[in-house]
Amino acid sequence: AQTVTQSQPEMSVQEAETVTLSCTYDTSESDYYLFWYKQPPSRQMILVIRQEAYKQQNATENRFSVNFQKAAKSFSLKISDSQLGDAAMYFCAYRRPQGTYKYIFGTGTRLKVLA
Amino acid sequence: KAGVTQTPRYLIKTRGQQVTLSCSPISGHRSVSWYQQTPGQGLQFLFEYFSETQRNKGNFPGRFSGRQFSNSRSEMNVSTLELGDSALYLCASFKGGGNTEAFFGQGTRLTVV
Repeated sequence: AQTVTQSQPEMSVQEAETVTLSCTYDTSESDYYLFWYKQPPSRQMILVIRQEAYKQQNATENRFSVNFQKAAKSFSLKISDSQLGDAAMYFCAYRRPQGTYKYIFGTGTRLKVLA
Repeated sequence: KAGVTQTPRYLIKTRGQQVTLSCSPISGHRSVSWYQQTPGQGLQFLFEYFSETQRNKGNFPGRFSGRQFSNSRSEMNVSTLELGDSALYLCASFKGGGNTEAFFGQGTRLTVV
């Protein structure tokens, strides 16, 4: 069975600084998708970034980038130039590529952005 | 384009009652999944529907059930409510295809007293 682990329950970052959120996962499959979702106080989960396991290049979306280390089964999220609006719960998630849209989520990291 | 709509947003029920939650996916999306979110257990997968068929089910008791209609709208039902069923219930909608992402609703906050 696949598992996703986020070892940082809470992180803080100064506005305009950079922060990295950690995620590790365990799977015996070679192909899969990894995601970072953001859940602000409004409760709605919003996709931050997505990575296909077969792609070696790390995904980037504006100020958000990942460090995907397939052999180490690590998928960290880097937020550059942090903004107050980045404050939220961040969830790392795993999904198999076929046959299901079931996500396996980590326990989340609460990110606080300090002005 | 309207997002995923979940109704109601908030619900208070008494132990032993039953409840039905509704999810309307994004137009054109054929798959819907449900998750239970609690502070202690995090996000737990409940079920997944694709074209009216349940494709996957999580490790929840039989009191939790769901269905999907021909218009892709989905409902989940919880019978004989327990205090531990208090949670945020999230619905996610999927367009289809391999690398599709989940679009989530704002959830239904269920409180069992």
